[in-house]
Amino acid sequence: DVVMTQSPLSLPVTLGQPASISCRSSQSLVYSDGNTYLNWFQQRPGQSPRRLIYKVSNRDSGVPDRFSGSGSGTDFTLRISRVEAEDVAVYYCMQGTHWPQTFGQGTKVEIK
Amino acid sequence: QVQLVQSGGEVKKPGASVKVSCKAFGYTFTNYGVTWVRQAPGQGLEWMGWISTSNGNTNYAQKLQGRVTMTTDTSTSTAYMELRSLTSDDTAVYYCARDRQGGYWGQGTLVTVSS
Repeated sequence: DVVMTQSPLSLPVTLGQPASISCRSSQSLVYSDGNTYLNWFQQRPGQSPRRLIYKVSNRDSGVPDRFSGSGSGTDFTLRISRVEAEDVAVYYCMQGTHWPQTFGQGTKVEIK
Repeated sequence: QVQLVQSGGEVKKPGASVKVSCKAFGYTFTNYGVTWVRQAPGQGLEWMGWISTSNGNTNYAQKLQGRVTMTTDTSTSTAYMELRSLTSDDTAVYYCARDRQGGYWGQGTLVTVSS
């Protein structure tokens, strides 16, 4: 199975400051069709996960533009340009390229 | 708009089975597969498997092989996940999500396994 490793696992951030979460995969996530199926999810306390980013860098509808995704191959990053109170959540990366699909351990973003 | 509505919470005894439903609204059901994910209390997300809604093909997590069955009823746009021989380790919130990339998620179904 592809192992997804996130860091850090806990991220205290000051309101208005940027935040960055790393996600590394144990093998390349480039699929045979040329796409890279790396997605980012946000799970607020008590809620279902919500997808923020698909295929590395595409924001889902309604996702604020302070969220951005980047990376390639095995190394990916989710950035929040200016953290707001509503961004307190656990963030997961997930690869959808290989079977079985696998998630990172999750990164808990909290306000300092 | 797209919605996935899951069945209500369940309490089961060890050794029993549970069947969770996931009814889709707002899109053509057979155009997207359904992924099932679970989350044990205080833990991360665990992929359980995926089913094609167009032909019923499935792909299950190896650790659940033999205990899990995913099915669909295209006449009602509903997906089902049945898990058998439950143990306390199966206590979790079970989610369905649209397609392999998890574009939309249901509200979750809490399954509690307790004697």
